[in-house]
Amino acid sequence: EAQVTQNPRYLITVTGKKLTVTCSQNMNHEYMSWYRQDPGLGLRQIYYSMNVEVTDKGDVPEGYKVSRKEKRNFPLILESPSPNQTSLYFCASRIQGAGGYTFGSGTRLTVV
Amino acid sequence: RKEVEQDPGPFNVPEGATVAFNCTYSNSASQSFFWYRQDCRKEPKLLMSVYSSGNEDGRFTAQLNRASQYISLLIRDSKLSDSATYLCVVNIPGNQFYFGTGTSLTVIP
Repeated sequence: EAQVTQNPRYLITVTGKKLTVTCSQNMNHEYMSWYRQDPGLGLRQIYYSMNVEVTDKGDVPEGYKVSRKEKRNFPLILESPSPNQTSLYFCASRIQGAGGYTFGSGTRLTVV
Repeated sequence: RKEVEQDPGPFNVPEGATVAFNCTYSNSASQSFFWYRQDCRKEPKLLMSVYSSGNEDGRFTAQLNRASQYISLLIRDSKLSDSATYLCVVNIPGNQFYFGTGTSLTVIP
């Protein structure tokens, strides 16, 4: 089944403890992206990647890192999480061209 | 100014009604346009792409007006299962996708 898989689905952590949210897609898509979704603000792009080793900042990159060492994987790293990073995170991928994104099931992160 | 703006609703309509959502975008160089559907606490799912000539998929019709910079979604014969939040999405040069904050629809029996 064609899909985007992200883990974990739920995570509660403490301020300052480094964490990684994994994302993997099995559709051989070139583009991958991370979004966060907050009430009243909608989905905002954190980082995106156009292919292996090519990444760029979205609208809200502060406090996040990404890497794209393999085409299928695009992990999101929070080096020192803070409570304002409590949010619902989505990973997404799409094929190069005019198509839309396919989303993973989301990761609900709480930083206390 | 936001890249994409939508009326948040909520829209509460009876079964069988026709409902329309509009969405405006600010960047005249926007390249592609989509409507997504998001159920509560779930991931957004692509409903349909929006083409300049307009396009239809069953009960759903999407239209693009480049001159006025808006896209629309029309749902005919609303079903209970259409209850969700509908997100309009715009792709601007540079491969960034911008999502509207969504319009909430509840179809009432």
